[in-house]
Amino acid sequence: DQQVKQNSPSLSVQEGRISILNCDYTNSMFDYFLWYKKYPAEGPTFLISISSIKDKNEDGRFTVFLNKSAKHLSLHIVPSQPGDSAVYFCAALLLEGYNYGQNFVFGPGTRLSVLP
Amino acid sequence: EAGVAQSPRYKIIEKRQSVAFWCNPISGHATLYWYQQILGQGPKLLIQFQNNGVVDDSQLPKDRFSAERLKGVDSTLKIQPAKLEDSAVYLCASSLGNRVGGETQYFGPGTRLLVL
Repeated sequence: DQQVKQNSPSLSVQEGRISILNCDYTNSMFDYFLWYKKYPAEGPTFLISISSIKDKNEDGRFTVFLNKSAKHLSLHIVPSQPGDSAVYFCAALLLEGYNYGQNFVFGPGTRLSVLP
Repeated sequence: EAGVAQSPRYKIIEKRQSVAFWCNPISGHATLYWYQQILGQGPKLLIQFQNNGVVDDSQLPKDRFSAERLKGVDSTLKIQPAKLEDSAVYLCASSLGNRVGGETQYFGPGTRLLVL
């Protein structure tokens, strides 16, 4: 049972336009969400995060929106650049609290191609 | 600041053989994670250490996988014996681990394992 879903395996966008990557989750207990970007032959790198107490977080060209009632988040990249071409993973975090344990659950990823 | 180091980068073995991966986290990071990423899927958490103690190993196939983090720094992940379905990228990540919630994980480049 996939707790974090990214239903679009790939997305192509023209340079300069907006890229919108979507992520849905099933567990309403998740309270922190992160986006990671991965280039081939490298490990994922952190991009941006959002706490469940917020509905938007912005960092430069990257904005993450969270809709808790819909259990949906999205990553917007504006404007898109060819260097943004990578696989983007959505991750959800379930706090374990007492033992400071953290259980990250990753989605399957969306491959973004930004065309020049 | 040096990143998360992993070795080897690539490993090819035959089924039923044993293999070990090594991870050196970012200095000062108390929490260390091992993930398995099968082609086309997101990373799946195998085990999480807080210092040298195991916080979560619920998804670790304990009949063949083992991991240790002696002295709370470096970690090794071992598979014995390997099966064909263990072919994947094994990612190590670390985080500061000094507070609850919302921590960024820093990933190593991964070890790509192919079991023939």
